[in-house]
Amino acid sequence: DAGVIQSPRHEVTEMGQEVTLRCKPISGHNSLFWYRQTMMRGLELLIYFNNNVPIDDSGMPEDRFSAKMPNASFSTLKIQPSEPRDSAVYFCASRSDRTPEGEQYFGPGTRLTVT
Amino acid sequence: AQSVTQLGSHVSVSEGALVLLRCNYSSSVPPYLFWYVQYPNQGLQLLLKYTSAATLVKGINGFEAEFKKSETSFHLTKPSAHMSDAAEYFCAVSLYTGKLIFGQGTTLQVKP
Repeated sequence: DAGVIQSPRHEVTEMGQEVTLRCKPISGHNSLFWYRQTMMRGLELLIYFNNNVPIDDSGMPEDRFSAKMPNASFSTLKIQPSEPRDSAVYFCASRSDRTPEGEQYFGPGTRLTVT
Repeated sequence: AQSVTQLGSHVSVSEGALVLLRCNYSSSVPPYLFWYVQYPNQGLQLLLKYTSAATLVKGINGFEAEFKKSETSFHLTKPSAHMSDAAEYFCAVSLYTGKLIFGQGTTLQVKP
């Protein structure tokens, strides 16, 4: 199994530009989570999907952030327009809810730098 | 509401010494508990998890954790630290939705 795949691994962009982060969950997993990690705020859950439906987006910082999951094998997190304070590492994780104790599997992350 | 507290944002041990990373949780129902490790510039990797089958849980790389309901704790230990154990460690609690509540993390430094 290839694990959770994220692209790009690194993204450098200028303030005001649109940024799209991509995630492919592990095949067969039906829950997908987007996290943001910074030194100041630690690891924050932004949004999670179950069976492609957004369940909890209370962690999305503001309207500039949006996430979609058009099918079971792909999700995007978009920031438009981007700001320097969005600089962080963004992780995607997936999980199977066939068992309630199933753990989340994390991707390698996308390091975003907004200048 | 559930929460997780990791005592000590930084822990430093000598190579070969005991590693003890502390985690206390708050949950109104029996929780599922996890320890994850994050090596530099990598994603989080599961070390071990508690799912009520046994209170002493063994994980990868020689780590183990003991669930103590009376103390609401799930501390992570390893008898002898290796240089390769230097990383950030996260404790997390989950209810049945699969959503995880993470602690703030503990950075483990291993000195030669």
